[in-house]
Amino acid sequence: GIQVEQSPPDLILQEGANSTLRCNFSDSVNNLQWFHQNPWGQLINLFYIPSGTKQNGRLSATTVATERYSLLYISSSQTTDSGVYFCAVVSDMRFGAGTRLTVKP
Amino acid sequence: DTAVSQTPKYLVTQMGNDKSIKCEQNLGHDTMYWYKQDSKKFLKIMFSYNNKELIINETVPNRFSPKSPDKAHLNLHINSLELGDSAVYFCASSPQYGQPQHFGDGTRLSIL
Repeated sequence: GIQVEQSPPDLILQEGANSTLRCNFSDSVNNLQWFHQNPWGQLINLFYIPSGTKQNGRLSATTVATERYSLLYISSSQTTDSGVYFCAVVSDMRFGAGTRLTVKP
Repeated sequence: DTAVSQTPKYLVTQMGNDKSIKCEQNLGHDTMYWYKQDSKKFLKIMFSYNNKELIINETVPNRFSPKSPDKAHLNLHINSLELGDSAVYFCASSPQYGQPQHFGDGTRLSIL
């Protein structure tokens, strides 16, 4: 089955910093999704982004399906951004192992 | 109104017991899923149903049996609970298979 790899596994930022999270997948996909798991364990949809770029406030995502990767950008990070970020290939229901983000005040 | 709701939120029980987790979605979606999240936060698909029909059944022990009485509900019954079943179980739904998924808040199962 398809492999999904995320990097970095852990990221610690100072509030206000920007960051880029990466998701690589082993085969062509057309249905990639990004989630944020907050410290209370809830999985929140961020983006469904098979290709191209989408923006939502301080967050944006880009998927380059032909090169088998997706990027999640977080700008001006806030402590509420802390948690684990997952990418998933939804057709295969395969999740990456996540990037654990800690934003310090 | 909660889009995907799971009950209970927490379940603490003894090894060997049988328990059920319920899931309901009010989004009108056709496809529903059960995932298991282990202590290392890894999310793994267990089952997927499309319009009450089982379409995905990953390598899951027979002790786990999903039941979908209608397309808005997908319940998970677990027999003879084992220590290794301790995890957070998430229900999710999507309009159709392969489309964006919406998750419930999870059920934390702890086996004593």
